[in-house]
Amino acid sequence: DTGVSQNPRHKITKRGQNVTFRCDPISEHNRLYWYRQTLGQGPEFLTYFQNEAQLEKSRLLSDRFSAERPKGSFSTLEIQRTEQGDSAMYLCASSRTTPNEQFFGPGTRLTVL
Amino acid sequence: AQSVTQLGSHVSVSEGALVLLRCNYSSSVPPYLFWYVQYPNQGLQLLLKYTSAATLVKGINGFEAEFKKSETSFHLTKPSAHMSDAAEYFCAVYNNNDMRFGAGTRLTVKP
Repeated sequence: DTGVSQNPRHKITKRGQNVTFRCDPISEHNRLYWYRQTLGQGPEFLTYFQNEAQLEKSRLLSDRFSAERPKGSFSTLEIQRTEQGDSAMYLCASSRTTPNEQFFGPGTRLTVL
Repeated sequence: AQSVTQLGSHVSVSEGALVLLRCNYSSSVPPYLFWYVQYPNQGLQLLLKYTSAATLVKGINGFEAEFKKSETSFHLTKPSAHMSDAAEYFCAVYNNNDMRFGAGTRLTVKP
């Protein structure tokens, strides 16, 4: 069990640029989740996958956000035309279907200038 | 919709004192409940979970929590705080593939 990994750990970008984050879940976990966490708040659900299927998306996930998990293993989260309000920590988690405890990665901290 | 309320955004205790972090939940069905800890610039680490078995749940690092259905609470306790316990703590409720987190409680431990 190597844990959930996320890359990059930090990303600084200018407003209007596109960014992509990667998450590698624990290998035997078929569920993968993306969350966004702003300062002083708990994580907010964005979307989740069961294997390669994206089963649910939060209304927080605007059209500028897209997530993929093409082979049911790693996942990418892309933000197009970044805005300053996108600055946050983006957390990835994975789990088995049951039990449903989620294991979190270290997060990617995005700063949009 | 389910939700979590953590009472007290900041809690300060002295080293060796009792730690009590409060969590109340709202859920229309029996929930799964979790406590996570987050250290600066890190992801969340699971402390303990309630999954409808024993109502008193023991977790890592000496923490435990008691599920009280009548009070819709799942408070986190530790008998004796250690400096290394200083962190942000999040309570979460899970049902039907939906995980909701509280806003967190920052624990400060004074020497």
